[in-house]
Order: sequence, then C-alpha cells, then structure tokens
Amino acid sequence: GENVEQHPSTLSVQEGDSAVIKCTYSDSASNYFPWYKQELGKGPQLIIDIRSNVGEKKDQRIAVTLNKTAKHFSLHITETQPEDSAVYFCAASIYSSASKIIFGSGTRLSIRP
Amino acid sequence: KAGVTQTPRYLIKTRGQQVTLSCSPISGHRSVSWYQQTPGQGLQFLFEYFSETQRNKGNFPGRFSGRQFSNSRSEMNVSTLELGDSALYLCASTSQGSTNEKLFFGSGTQLSVL
Repeated sequence: GENVEQHPSTLSVQEGDSAVIKCTYSDSASNYFPWYKQELGKGPQLIIDIRSNVGEKKDQRIAVTLNKTAKHFSLHITETQPEDSAVYFCAASIYSSASKIIFGSGTRLSIRP
Repeated sequence: KAGVTQTPRYLIKTRGQQVTLSCSPISGHRSVSWYQQTPGQGLQFLFEYFSETQRNKGNFPGRFSGRQFSNSRSEMNVSTLELGDSALYLCASTSQGSTNEKLFFGSGTQLSVL
C-alpha cells in the first residue's frame, strides 16, 4: 500500500525566515496531496492541497511543489510568523474518497522570536 | 456554520471496557470518517461512512466499529479496550467524500485506557 515519509520531524526557524517540509510517497498512482496544520488541542486543518496534474500551487505565504517523477512533494512557508508554530502533516491518496488518505508522521515547526 | 463536533472531549476507561464516541458533521455533509492519532503511529484511517453505509475501511481489528445515522451523525465503538487503544480519535466530514472536496476535522476525543 501507499507509504508517506516526512522530514524533518522537528524544525525551528527564526521569525521571518522560510520553512520547508519535505515528503515522499511510494505509490505512483497517488493523485491527491493535501497538507494539514494541527495546533495544540485541535484537529488537523487543511491549509493547501495539490493534485497530480499540477506542479506547484501557492496561497499567500504558503506554497506546495510536486515532483511526480521523483515522487516528492514539499511545503514552503515564507516570512514565518509565531502563529505558524504547529505540527504539519503531509498526506497522499490514490482513492476516489477524500477520506482514505495516508498521512506522513508530522513535522513540529517552532518559530523563534 | 458550525464545524465538526465530537463528544466527549476526554474519556478515561479501563482495560476490557467498551467505549462509544460521537461525531456530528458539518451541516449538509454526508460523509464521515474516523482517524486514530497516536504519537507512535501518527494519523491512521479507521473507516468512512456515507449515507449510513460503511464505504471504506482501514486496517484495524474488528473491535473497532462504527455506524452512521440518517441525520449523518456518526458513532464509533471500541470493545474490549486495550492499553494501546489510548489515542486521540478524530472525526472528519465532507459533503460527498469525493477527492474534489476538502476534509474538515473535529477537535477529537482523547481516550485514555488504564
């Protein structure tokens, strides 16, 4: 089945700098790649997603890139702010249902003031 | 519009007991799915219900079951609890459950098994 690996597990960056989180997936049939942000005491919240027919997508300070050949996708956060501190999860899915997605192990991002 | 609501927020049970968790999806959403989140295993898909029918199932033992009611509310049941069942159980909903939709999560039920 699908397997998603995520790196790094923890990341600390200075406020205002950029943060990059990388994921790889195993099943070349995967076609949907969402990213979730989870704050303490809350459930994951979708922040951006990309489909396999697109190489890059941007939403304000957040961008995601996808390399289908290498089976890599990455999250880029620019001009980081304290409220960006959270755990970030990448995910991949090959199923027709949006629900049955395989999550990465998560990255705890800390923004230093 | 109210979000996904899960009750209770916290539960403490002992080994061998059973537990029922509840999830109310966003109004109008018909697909409800359940995930287990643990520090060691991360987020794992349990099952998905759509129009009162289980549509997808993850790789969990039969002790984990669920159901969905006609108003789309869903319950998840775990029987014969084990220490390893301690986890945050998350519910998520979408309108139809298709890949064109976004998944909305509740805040979860934190289950501790002693």
